Amino acid sequence: QKEVEQDPGPLSVPEGAIVSLNCTYSNSAFQYFMWYRQYSRKGPELLMYTYSSGNKEDGRFTAQVDKSSKYISLFIRDSQPSDSATYLCAMSGRGDKLVFGAGTILRVKS
Amino acid sequence: NAGVTQTPKFQVLKTGQSMTLQCAQDMNHNSMYWYRQDPGMGLRLIYYSASEGTTDKGEVPNGYNVSRLNKREFSLRLESAAPSQTSVYFCASGTVYSNQPQHFGDGTRLSIL
Repeated sequence: QKEVEQDPGPLSVPEGAIVSLNCTYSNSAFQYFMWYRQYSRKGPELLMYTYSSGNKEDGRFTAQVDKSSKYISLFIRDSQPSDSATYLCAMSGRGDKLVFGAGTILRVKS
Repeated sequence: NAGVTQTPKFQVLKTGQSMTLQCAQDMNHNSMYWYRQDPGMGLRLIYYSASEGTTDKGEVPNGYNVSRLNKREFSLRLESAAPSQTSVYFCASGTVYSNQPQHFGDGTRLSIL
């Protein structure tokens, strides 16, 4: 079993929809949680960074962490075709290196 | 402001050949990383360098060597390429505060025949 599980998709939604991207994990020591966005043939870019549990909002993006369920989510409001990309979750414990999910492909149709 | 620059962008090698992947960052970051990305596997850490003069193994270091040439540059060397090393390789950099990769290059696509 992988430490971090992420549905590969593709997830296809119409423009303007609310998108929910999710990851589950098994290591209870994880306390730093990140979301990266990766466009085709490009490197990942850091989108959201959250420490421990709770929510963090940045524009149309909201990151949510539920440590009791070992579950993290990224919500995208008013999705745009430019949001079409692969979204990678990543997490680590204190002083440890990041463990990445395999990524979810998102397609937003205009 | 270029960020993280990787060269080359594409390379085809024969089994047993050697090559060095180059990476340079212009953000004055202390930490630098080398990852490989394979379908369905996510990003896996090969080696990292927390600061100039130090390097450490990551999750999948076998078959690779690295050099932190100075604060800007971190190279990855394949001494004797194998087909299992066919992958997309990403270099990344980050600050001491986060101790995590924050900025990635656009990758080197490496095929080994």
